[in-house]
Amino acid sequence: DTAVSQTPKYLVTQMGNDKSIKCEQNLGHDTMYWYKQDSKKFLKIMFSYNNKELIINETVPNRFSPKSPDKAHLNLHINSLELGDSAVYFCASSQDTGGNLGRETQYFGPGTRLLVL
Amino acid sequence: GNSVTQMEGPVTLSEEAFLTINCTYTATGYPSLFWYVQYPGEGLQLLLKATKADDKGSNKGFEATYRKETTSFHLEKGSVQVSDSAVYFCALIDGYQKVTFGTGTKLQVIP
Repeated sequence: DTAVSQTPKYLVTQMGNDKSIKCEQNLGHDTMYWYKQDSKKFLKIMFSYNNKELIINETVPNRFSPKSPDKAHLNLHINSLELGDSAVYFCASSQDTGGNLGRETQYFGPGTRLLVL
Repeated sequence: GNSVTQMEGPVTLSEEAFLTINCTYTATGYPSLFWYVQYPGEGLQLLLKATKADDKGSNKGFEATYRKETTSFHLEKGSVQVSDSAVYFCALIDGYQKVTFGTGTKLQVIP
């Protein structure tokens, strides 16, 4: 009963390819996120998305695009992959608190290890 | 904008030593504060949290107190174990649901 799941776990591909990473949460949360973790373990938020709003980190290249077919899924599509895209990508989810700060704990998926050759 | 500053690692301790990992923040309003832990090869897991000033979060022997006067949320544990070896992330979420993580501190506990 994995709360937040990601597929694939590992992804090895060549430069220039287009790939997608899928994320699903079964927690009934309203908000989902994508993070990129580099080789130094630095964690950077890429997107947050809920029913109302997509928030894009302006430093994320437009080759990255989140796609949400429904509230439980937030997939990450990457066009024209580059060497620098190699990283671990984490999906996360949280409940939209509507101002109740005590409920925004984020639950993370296991990560997708992307290697671009 | 918001920011979270953690002490740089790696931190290497002997088993049963006392642990402190410093975390300070800047944010507008009254954010919620979190510590997440990442074990090797795994995703992040919530370790503890505090949602208002003077709150103390605790879990698995770890504690952190929300200090608004010093804008700090230092992580402490009285006696670390080898199994505590991991990367620890301090994070905040502000009133606009904006999330900010620190850069992470790697802890290595040796027997």
